[in-house]
Amino acid sequence: DIVMTQSPDSLAVSLGERATIKCKSSQSILYSSNNKNYLAWYQQKPGQPPKLLIYWASTRESGVPDRFSGSGSGTDFTLTIGSLQAEDVAVYYCHQYYNTPRTFGQGTKLEVK
Amino acid sequence: EVQLVESGGGLVQPGGSLRLSCAASGFTVSSNYMSWVRQAPGKGLEWVSVIYSAGSTYYADSVKGRFTISRDNSKNTLYLQMNSLRTEDTAVYYCAREREEMGLAFDIWGQGTMVTVSS
Repeated sequence: DIVMTQSPDSLAVSLGERATIKCKSSQSILYSSNNKNYLAWYQQKPGQPPKLLIYWASTRESGVPDRFSGSGSGTDFTLTIGSLQAEDVAVYYCHQYYNTPRTFGQGTKLEVK
Repeated sequence: EVQLVESGGGLVQPGGSLRLSCAASGFTVSSNYMSWVRQAPGKGLEWVSVIYSAGSTYYADSVKGRFTISRDNSKNTLYLQMNSLRTEDTAVYYCAREREEMGLAFDIWGQGTMVTVSS
């Protein structure tokens, strides 16, 4: 199974500042035939289901604000929130769908400092 | 509107059974890969099972042999039959669509249904 490890487990950032969350996979999730990384990022607020933010490691889902960006390739990935807003307080998960079983990172709790 | 609505959760004793349903609207379940994902109270997300559009099914090791994923095309509904339930199966269960154009990222999620296994 591919193990997804996020860092940090929790993060406190001031409003308007940048937030960075990292995700590392135990093996490459870059599919050589199409040069795509099979990695997604989700946001989950209390009492709500997860919401897709980013897929293919760096493609924003429709309707997601452009302050959210994803980067990385192979085994190392980053979710960046360019200017933190109050509504961004949530838990963020990375997810690999390169193979089965699909696996998630343990989550990163983002709070306002 | 594209949406998923789960039902069927509740309180069950260890060793018992429960069947969860996930009714889809705005798209066809049988044309998509569909997964179940669970979240124990205060914990992270755990993938449980997937059914491919062609009908193949796969399970997490933690539920293999106890859970069965299926679908009813006429009702456009996904199911998860859960047998031999254990206390560690207590969680909110979400169904989710795996969007092929996104490489199978989970683009639509239901609101979840709570399953509590306790005596």
